[in-house]
Amino acid sequence: NAGVTQTPKFQVLKTGQSMTLQCAQDMNHEYMSWYRQDPGMGLRLIHYSVGAGITDQGEVPNGYNVSRSTTEDFPLRLLSAAPSQTSVYFCASSYSTGRLYEQYFGPGTRLTVT
Amino acid sequence: AQSVTQLGSHVSVSEGALVLLRCNYSSSVPPYLFWYVQYPNQGLQLLLKYTTGATLVKGINGFEAEFKKSEASFHLTKPSAHMSDAAEYFCAVSDPGGNNRLAFGKGNQVVVIP
Repeated sequence: NAGVTQTPKFQVLKTGQSMTLQCAQDMNHEYMSWYRQDPGMGLRLIHYSVGAGITDQGEVPNGYNVSRSTTEDFPLRLLSAAPSQTSVYFCASSYSTGRLYEQYFGPGTRLTVT
Repeated sequence: AQSVTQLGSHVSVSEGALVLLRCNYSSSVPPYLFWYVQYPNQGLQLLLKYTTGATLVKGINGFEAEFKKSEASFHLTKPSAHMSDAAEYFCAVSDPGGNNRLAFGKGNQVVVIP
C-alpha cells in the first residue's frame, strides 16, 4: 500500500491564481481531512469528509473548497490564492468516525503564494 | 470545544537526559489523547495514544505518556534522549463520541544537544 499520497510536494502561486492540491489513499478509509500547518500554530483542520459525497467545514475553511466523489480521493481547491494561504498542507485519512481510528498523514504540500 | 496547550515552543535536552513534554487539554467529555512526531520535511507519525483503560501508555521509540484526569494532562516522557529524537512533537485531543476531528497543540520543537 502507498498509504496517503499528496501532489505536488512544492508549489509557488501568484496572488489570485487557482490550484488544486491532490490527496489520495489506498486503504479504503472512509474519513479524510485536510490540515494546514503554520509556524507556532500547530495543525488546523480545514475541511473533512466522512465518506464519498459528504464533506464538512473544519476550523479554518475560508478560501478553500473540497469535494469527495470517490473514497480514494479528496482534493483541496484554492479558488483565488492569497499570501495568507502560504503554508504546509497535510491530508490525513482513517477508517470510520464514531470510534477511534488512527489517522494516517501524507507527506505534505508546501505552498507559497507571492 | 476541545483544546490542547503545549508550553515552550522550543525544548533543548542533552543527549542521555530525560525528555519531558507537557500537554494539558480542555474537554467537556473524557477525551482520546494522542502524541504525534514530525521529523524534518515529513508528515506526522503517531507516537502513542490513550483511549480508555491503563493510564500509562507506551509508544514507539521508547516514549511513554501518562493520562492524569485530575490534572487534565497527558505529558510525554522518554528516560534518555537520543540524537534521533530531534523533531517536532504535537499533542492532540479527539472527542470519542464525535466525528474523529483532532485538535492539535502548537507543538514542541525538540533539540538534542550532544
